[in-house]
Amino acid sequence: KAGVTQTPRYLIKTRGQQVTLSCSPISGHRSVSWYQQTPGQGLQFLFEYFSETQRNKGNFPGRFSGRQFSNSRSEMNVSTLELGDSALYLCASSLVRGRYEQYFGPGTRLTVT
Amino acid sequence: ELKVEQNPLFLSMQEGKNYTIYCNYSTTSDRLYWYRQDPGKSLESLFVLLSNGAVKQEGRLMASLDTKARLSTLHITAAVHDLSATYFCAVDPGTSGSRLTFGEGTQLTVNP
Repeated sequence: KAGVTQTPRYLIKTRGQQVTLSCSPISGHRSVSWYQQTPGQGLQFLFEYFSETQRNKGNFPGRFSGRQFSNSRSEMNVSTLELGDSALYLCASSLVRGRYEQYFGPGTRLTVT
Repeated sequence: ELKVEQNPLFLSMQEGKNYTIYCNYSTTSDRLYWYRQDPGKSLESLFVLLSNGAVKQEGRLMASLDTKARLSTLHITAAVHDLSATYFCAVDPGTSGSRLTFGEGTQLTVNP
């Protein structure tokens, strides 16, 4: 069974630009969560999607948004990029919401210059 | 706000030795996860602990959960170099959905 896939794997953007990251969950998984990992702040929850609806949101500004499609694939978007947005963005999928293991994708390394 | 604290944050140990990593959390939860991360890589799931007293073992690693003490431990037995990595515990408060709060991570180095 294929794992969680994320594209692109690496990305370099300039301050002020916007970026869209994509995540395809494990086949049959319907819940997708996004996390940001930085050396300073560690791993932080961004948002969770289930049945095409955002179910939870972390403490991030409105520049961070996302969506989920009917096939459970998810995208996250960051507008007006700042240097501090440089991070590893991880997507995780689980079968459904709640007491289920989350499987993480390889991540997208975003560098903002 | 849920807080998750790990200690130690850095651990250097010799091969063959035993050690324990501790994970404390601030609110009631019976959903705790342990992950491993190698440099530049993603998170690999190690253990899922979903009840008080849960104990799981895989190879040289054993994890346990005490929900009353709000404490989980990851015990390493007879460490080998291949266990060198960063280990994270993560707690899901379970109020709704899947929302993990991670500890700071324990960077483990096993020296020959």
